[in-house]
Amino acid sequence: QSVMTQPPSASGTPGQRVTISCSGSSSNIGGNYVYWYQQLPGTAPKLLIHRNNQRPSGVPDRFSGFKSGTSASLALSGLRSEDEADYYCAAWDDSLTTWVFGGGTKLTVL
Amino acid sequence: QITLKESGPTLVKPTQTLTLTCTFSGFSLSTRGVGVGWIRQPPQKALEWLAHIYWDDDKRYSPSLKRRLTITKDTSKNQVVLTMTNMDPVDTATYYCTHVNWGGAYYYFDLWGRGTLVTVSS
Repeated sequence: QSVMTQPPSASGTPGQRVTISCSGSSSNIGGNYVYWYQQLPGTAPKLLIHRNNQRPSGVPDRFSGFKSGTSASLALSGLRSEDEADYYCAAWDDSLTTWVFGGGTKLTVL
Repeated sequence: QITLKESGPTLVKPTQTLTLTCTFSGFSLSTRGVGVGWIRQPPQKALEWLAHIYWDDDKRYSPSLKRRLTITKDTSKNQVVLTMTNMDPVDTATYYCTHVNWGGAYYYFDLWGRGTLVTVSS
């Protein structure tokens, strides 16, 4: 059972906009930066968003990160078949003094 | 270009000690602001942070695993070694080595190795 909660699954059709949520608490999301990772099948996680809403170089602007209070979300616009992957949110937790990850959301492109 | 590669045994027995090595290139662990970490992922489960080490030999451990973990660096070899004692089947996971991007007031894991699957079984 993860400290930060994500929906186990999400789906959309090509071209659509999809949002993945991540719900935490004041000790993690509420007081620290949120990070998002994409894990394509059989591969290592790849950093998509850092410090709430910053994209590393090479990450398309179709990916956007948002944070409000103790929740965060990742938005994917112009959905493509290659976006089909697992997505994880992450943040430092001041109370647990550890990094915490969401349980992951499996995105299916229909 | 930064690359990281994990190496170590694919199978360990319960109670044994696991030793994993991360060999990296494209950066030096003697450079201020640099770190290397370890994160694992049990099959079909979420990610779990284990530990990381900074250029100045500052080390951070997951509180739940701290007693079992040791992380060290060999700057001359561009390697970081993680040892985990008293292995148990629940420790079966893919273990990832990561580059730590340190910005002073924050840090995060920006680049990952391909990972190595470690199975704990008798």
